[in-house]
Amino acid sequence: AQKITQTQPGMFVQEKEAVTLDCTYDTSDQSYGLFWYKQPSSGEMIFLIYQGSYDEQNATEGRYSLNFQKARKSANLVISASQLGDSAMYFCAPGGGDAGGTSYGKLTFGQGTILTVHP
Amino acid sequence: DTGVSQDPRHKITKRGQNVTFRCDPISEHNRLYWYRQTLGQGPEFLTYFQNEAQLEKSRLLSDRFSAERPKGSFSTLEIQRTEQGDSAMYLCASSPSGSGGLDTQYFGPGTRLTVL
Repeated sequence: AQKITQTQPGMFVQEKEAVTLDCTYDTSDQSYGLFWYKQPSSGEMIFLIYQGSYDEQNATEGRYSLNFQKARKSANLVISASQLGDSAMYFCAPGGGDAGGTSYGKLTFGQGTILTVHP
Repeated sequence: DTGVSQDPRHKITKRGQNVTFRCDPISEHNRLYWYRQTLGQGPEFLTYFQNEAQLEKSRLLSDRFSAERPKGSFSTLEIQRTEQGDSAMYLCASSPSGSGGLDTQYFGPGTRLTVL
């Protein structure tokens, strides 16, 4: 079972600035991954970035990076050089698996953080 | 377009009617998932399939809900005797496989259901 906490209901950032969205999790699964999704007002969930629990390096994907601290059970998303199009809801979601890394399937989503980018 | 597709995108129905939604996953993906999302909340897992087999069902999936994936390709989600509480966005996702790693799930655009 997983529990996910996103403590920031809303965040504001100036265009071109960096912003960090917080995510803490609790899981009893032997292996797991942390997924971040973006949901604009259109409603579609867009995959952004993934961090595996056994990955030693923090994941990066373009302007997105993860600040993964396994001991603290946190996986914060950092968006650099914010753009107006980044305004959306952001969800952190852990996915669990067995010791061999086979996925259990479902993702558990947090409450989300609404990011607003100001010009 | 080779992404996940869902049909219809919007459905308005009267309480007590039955509705059926369709999801077409990315063609080479073995796993297919259904989630429900109400306003202001994150998506909640409903069920998922690996090929034709339905491997897990959430307790949220009452007896009025049924999902199928008869040929391991597209899936349908049916809600019988709809209630106003069923109003939500129904999201479908697919992922490549169920073994060898924690696969990324790719979502479709969703079906927004409104029960009057």
